Amino acid sequence: DAGVTQSPTHLIKTRGQQVTLRCSPISGHKSVSWYQQVLGQGPQFIFQYYEKEERGRGNFPDRFSARQFPNYSSELNVNALLLGDSALYLCASSLDTSNSNQPQHFGDGTRLSIL
Amino acid sequence: GDSVTQMEGPVTLSEEAFLTINCTYTATGYPSLFWYVQYPGEGLQLLLKATKADDKGSNKGFEATYRKETTSFHLEKGSVQVSDSAVYFCALKIQGAQKLVFGQGTRLTINP
Repeated sequence: DAGVTQSPTHLIKTRGQQVTLRCSPISGHKSVSWYQQVLGQGPQFIFQYYEKEERGRGNFPDRFSARQFPNYSSELNVNALLLGDSALYLCASSLDTSNSNQPQHFGDGTRLSIL
Repeated sequence: GDSVTQMEGPVTLSEEAFLTINCTYTATGYPSLFWYVQYPGEGLQLLLKATKADDKGSNKGFEATYRKETTSFHLEKGSVQVSDSAVYFCALKIQGAQKLVFGQGTRLTINP
């Protein structure tokens, strides 16, 4: 079975540009979460979506937005890119959002570099 | 707020050595606890989990026990291999919350 897939794997942008990252969850998983992992640190929570509804938001500015589609895939958008947005962006899927016993399964991430 | 603290790395060991990576947490509710592993250039893989006090999670020779009294979830392995070289993350998730809260990660290098 396919795991969580993310595209693209690598991306280079310049300051002020906009970027869209994509994620397909494991088949049957309805919850998708996004995390930002800056080099040398642990992942930080950005958003969670479940059944196309936003269920959680981390401490990120409004330049970050996301959505989930009827097939449960998701996009993360970042506007007005800053140098500090350079990071590995991870997508994770799980069966549901409320049961903490359900582990989140991660994709390999999109490496975003801002010049 | 909720937080996870891991022992600082990097940790360098010889093959077949005993491994311990310390993890402690603070939580506003009753958490489930996880260890994730990240190999170079890859995302995070779930290594093991424990959902209630005194539970022991285990996988691939790694073990961790949920200790509520000391708010700890230390990762151990009796005999490490070169292939265990990676970054290890301890994490928690509160029941009903949406997010995993991660520690800063511990880089482990095993020399042959």
